[in-house]
Amino acid sequence: DGGITQSPKYLFRKEGQNVTLSCEQNLNHDAMYWYRQDPGQGLRLIYYSQIVNDFQKGDIAEGYSVSREKKESFPLTVTSAQKNPTAFYLCASSITDYQPQHFGDGTRLSIL
Amino acid sequence: AQSVTQLGSHVSVSEGALVLLRCNYSSSVPPYLFWYVQYPNQGLQLLLKYTSAATLVKGINGFEAEFKKSETSFHLTKPSAHMSDAAEYFCAVIQGPLWSGGFKTIFGAGTRLFVKA
Repeated sequence: DGGITQSPKYLFRKEGQNVTLSCEQNLNHDAMYWYRQDPGQGLRLIYYSQIVNDFQKGDIAEGYSVSREKKESFPLTVTSAQKNPTAFYLCASSITDYQPQHFGDGTRLSIL
Repeated sequence: AQSVTQLGSHVSVSEGALVLLRCNYSSSVPPYLFWYVQYPNQGLQLLLKYTSAATLVKGINGFEAEFKKSETSFHLTKPSAHMSDAAEYFCAVIQGPLWSGGFKTIFGAGTRLFVKA
């Protein structure tokens, strides 16, 4: 079945450490997205990519980085510059950027 | 710029009662509108979408939504709530085209639905 796979489901980060969240899709979608979700809040866009080798900052890109070297993959790195990284991170994809988005099951990141 | 407002961060209904989740959007052009559902510790799933073909849109799990241009609303309803409907629901609108030529999905803050036995 086609879908989006995020791994790991739970991730722990030490102070000063960079961590990378994986997102892979086999839906052949061009657009991919990363969102951050905090308790009681909606989704905030971190980065998005409309095509391979191109991506744009979303509303809260500071302290995060991404790459889009393959159509299927859009990993997110949470750098040590992100001072409050504890959150639920969601990856999504869509055929184009005006079509509905398909979501992975998320990665929950916590600080040790 | 587009925006979407969901009235009520929490809604509680009894099992078997009508579910009504409210969503209003701001738009000067006909929008693309969506409702998504999120169960605990999962990603969002598309419930239904409005793309101007019909004002009453039927979705999965017995949900439907009606687009009312005069009220700039896209409220989500279900005639009879089931315990399994307990989840968070997000309304979303497409914004664009942006200066970059692309489009952006704007999500509402979400409404958590509680279903009482």
